[in-house]
Amino acid sequence: AQSVSQHNHHVILSEAASLELGCNYSYGGTVNLFWYVQYPGQHLQLLLKYFSGDPLVKGIKGFEAEFIKSKFSFNLRKPSVQWSDTAEYFCAVNYLNTGGFKTIFGAGTRLFVKA
Amino acid sequence: EAGVAQSPRYKIIEKRQSVAFWCNPISGHATLYWYQQILGQGPKLLIQFQNNGVVDDSQLPKDRFSAERLKGVDSTLKIQPAKLEDSAVYLCASSNRQGIYEQYFGPGTRLTVT
Repeated sequence: AQSVSQHNHHVILSEAASLELGCNYSYGGTVNLFWYVQYPGQHLQLLLKYFSGDPLVKGIKGFEAEFIKSKFSFNLRKPSVQWSDTAEYFCAVNYLNTGGFKTIFGAGTRLFVKA
Repeated sequence: EAGVAQSPRYKIIEKRQSVAFWCNPISGHATLYWYQQILGQGPKLLIQFQNNGVVDDSQLPKDRFSAERLKGVDSTLKIQPAKLEDSAVYLCASSNRQGIYEQYFGPGTRLTVT
């Protein structure tokens, strides 16, 4: 079965620190990649996505992610985090399976930013 | 535009009882997803509809779970009978199409089975 691994379940940072959240997946074919975020008390929402072209993609609120095909990775980065970035972050991989596209989510990383 | 609506938001039932969840996707979205999210884990796809046809239900425990999508719009997910391990948040999401398209999530239904 295909899988998505997020390396850190909990991350605590101080404001202005840099952030990198790891995401690795197992599917060897063509993939579409997503990072979703869930702020406290809110719905899951899209942060950014990659499906083709420039492997460095930029999303909302200063986040970016880099797709490295050879490493099966799609790590999320932000150069300087803010208290408002406190949330849970999910990596998701979408690939073409028999019958249609299938989406698998990682277990999530809880980020807490200290003011 | 209105988001994905789900009801109820919370439900507490005893094991062996039945429960149903309802989802109204964003207007015009052809693809609808039901996910189960157990505490500390990521969302796990239970069933995916394209219009009113099932695309993927490989992880749906069909002996107790069922789902339908009425006329390609609203959807209901039912559990009968419930087990303790069904305690989770049930998320509904919709998207324009499959693949590269973003999924829009509802607020979820938190189910507690006692």
